[in-house]
Amino acid sequence: SSELTQDPAVSVALGQTVRITCQGDSLRSYSASWYQQKPGQAPVLVIYGKNNRPSGIPDRFSASSSGNTASLTITGAQAEDEADYYCNSRDNNGYHLMFGEGTKLTVL
Amino acid sequence: EVQLVQSGAEVKKPGESLIISCKGSGYSFTNYWIGWVRQMPGKGLEYMGIIYAHDSNTRYSPSFQGQVTISVDKSSSTAFLQWRSVKASDTAMYYCARHGGTTAESWFDPWGQGTLVTVSS
Repeated sequence: SSELTQDPAVSVALGQTVRITCQGDSLRSYSASWYQQKPGQAPVLVIYGKNNRPSGIPDRFSASSSGNTASLTITGAQAEDEADYYCNSRDNNGYHLMFGEGTKLTVL
Repeated sequence: EVQLVQSGAEVKKPGESLIISCKGSGYSFTNYWIGWVRQMPGKGLEYMGIIYAHDSNTRYSPSFQGQVTISVDKSSSTAFLQWRSVKASDTAMYYCARHGGTTAESWFDPWGQGTLVTVSS
């Protein structure tokens, strides 16, 4: 069955670069979107399409994709980037949507 | 400003019915799909289903098919998520979100503020 796999937890030193990945067969055909969720808050879209940022999202957030893996990169991570990050895309048939299990990012 | 505003927190007993709402504003409501997402306490985001506001075409995640009903009222620009009989396991935060883009590239934005549903005897 279709699924999107993320590492449960990733850490990064303040000011360094971190990559959060999302793996799934459907990503060969469909782009992933990425969401940031801080404790007690609703998720916020940070990347959509191949590599597009909504208004208000800092340019340190970027995305890329290769084969069955989509990646979210934060270049120069800040303390305020500490959050849970989720990828979202379609299943292999393109009919249903699904989320990855989420990655908890800790900024040290 | 494009905005989705959800109804307030609910406390229900097992077996009771429940409907929560999500009102869109600041955009053409019928041009977009609205999705619902569950987040159980301390857990990740789970896609429940999506409805096209123009014609009520609805798609349910296999995990939620038959468990909930998604509907929309175009006249009030409001989407609904409904249970006939809630269970303790339905205790969660529920988010609505506008779904846009194409089949190849799609996304949820913006999101509602969430509706906390607590089911307890």
